[in-house]
Amino acid sequence: DAGVTQSPTHLIKTRGQHVTLRCSPISGHKSVSWYQQVLGQGPQFIFQYYEKEERGRGNFPDRFSARQFPNYSSELNVNALLLGDSALYLCASSRRQGVFDEQYFGPGTRLTVT
Amino acid sequence: RKEVEQDPGPFNVPEGATVAFNCTYSNSASQSFFWYRQDCRKEPKLLMSVYSSGNEDGRFTAQLNRASQYISLLIRDSKLSDSATYLCVVGVDSNYQLIWGAGTKLIIKP
Repeated sequence: DAGVTQSPTHLIKTRGQHVTLRCSPISGHKSVSWYQQVLGQGPQFIFQYYEKEERGRGNFPDRFSARQFPNYSSELNVNALLLGDSALYLCASSRRQGVFDEQYFGPGTRLTVT
Repeated sequence: RKEVEQDPGPFNVPEGATVAFNCTYSNSASQSFFWYRQDCRKEPKLLMSVYSSGNEDGRFTAQLNRASQYISLLIRDSKLSDSATYLCVVGVDSNYQLIWGAGTKLIIKP
């Protein structure tokens, strides 16, 4: 079975632009979570979606938004990019919502904002 | 104070040695606990969940102390392949958040 896939793998954007990152979960997984990881830090929780609804949101500004589609894939959108948004964006899928299941991560999208 | 704190290391340890990591968390409402492993420029992968009674998986042993709000990971007979960053993760189910420590870097030397 395929693991979690993310696209694109790398992206370079300029300040003020917007970006859309995509994630496909493992087949049978209904929950998708998004994280931001900067070098030397652990992942920071952005969103959790389950059954197409937002179930949890981390401490990120409204410039960050996401959605989940009927096939459980997900998009993360970031508007008005700032230099500080440069990071590795990780998507993780799990069978259920919440914080008790193992999370399976995709390889990430490395975003550079110049 | 960070919600989940870990010693960043690096821990430089000879092959075959035993190494222990600790992690403290601040939210007493935390309900789930994990150790993940992250290799350089790779995604995190679950090493083990941590249960109140403690649990062991081969050379790895995890302990949870709810009263003192810390989690530990013990690696016995360390291998070169154990070199990685070990991330402590704490879950608060009320807001669906997993809170991650910054990780402890482990380097096993031959």
